[in-house]
Amino acid sequence: GDSVTQMEGPVTLSEEACLTINCTYTATGYPSLFWYVQYPGEGLQLLLKATKADDKGSNKGFEATYRKETTSFHLEKGSVQVSDSAVYFCALRPGGNNRLAFGKGNQVVVIP
Amino acid sequence: DVKVTQSSRYLVKRTGEKVFLECVQDMDHENMFWYRQDPGLGLRLIYFSYDVKMKEKGDIPEGYSVSREKKERFSLILESASTNQTSMYLCASRPSGRGYTFGSGTRLTVV
Repeated sequence: GDSVTQMEGPVTLSEEACLTINCTYTATGYPSLFWYVQYPGEGLQLLLKATKADDKGSNKGFEATYRKETTSFHLEKGSVQVSDSAVYFCALRPGGNNRLAFGKGNQVVVIP
Repeated sequence: DVKVTQSSRYLVKRTGEKVFLECVQDMDHENMFWYRQDPGLGLRLIYFSYDVKMKEKGDIPEGYSVSREKKERFSLILESASTNQTSMYLCASRPSGRGYTFGSGTRLTVV
């Protein structure tokens, strides 16, 4: 079935460091891909999305490119801030389908 | 802005109790969803509904049921709560062809 795999474990980094969170997917057809962010004590918010191959989603300094050849949608930010500390989820929605499938999430902690 | 409101942020219930988790959205969305979130497991879909009185099982429906009598309200029911249902429960809604909006979550503890 359709699934999303995120890299294992929390990510701890210093302010202004570069962030990369890996996400790969398995899906039939042409899914839409998403990154969601969950700040402490809150629900999930859409961070960015891409709906077809080679699309780049971007928001708040974060970027991710839909790579069909590597079935990947890695999240990147060039210079993180303490306020970026949150849990980040990669997700996909299969084409013509109503449901989102989520990865397990990555806790990101940015230290001043 | 679309709002998805979950009635409680925190709940503590006893084993065997019947538990109702309520979710209300204010934008006439057709589709509503219940997920549970557990550390190391991410979000897993319990049930979803694509219209009033319509429901479909998600990936982990066992021990849960749902009710959608009105378009704006989607209730998750634990018929007999058990300790393994201690979790964070997230509701979401989505109009056809558009993105999801999530509620803030209900953290349920079953003792």
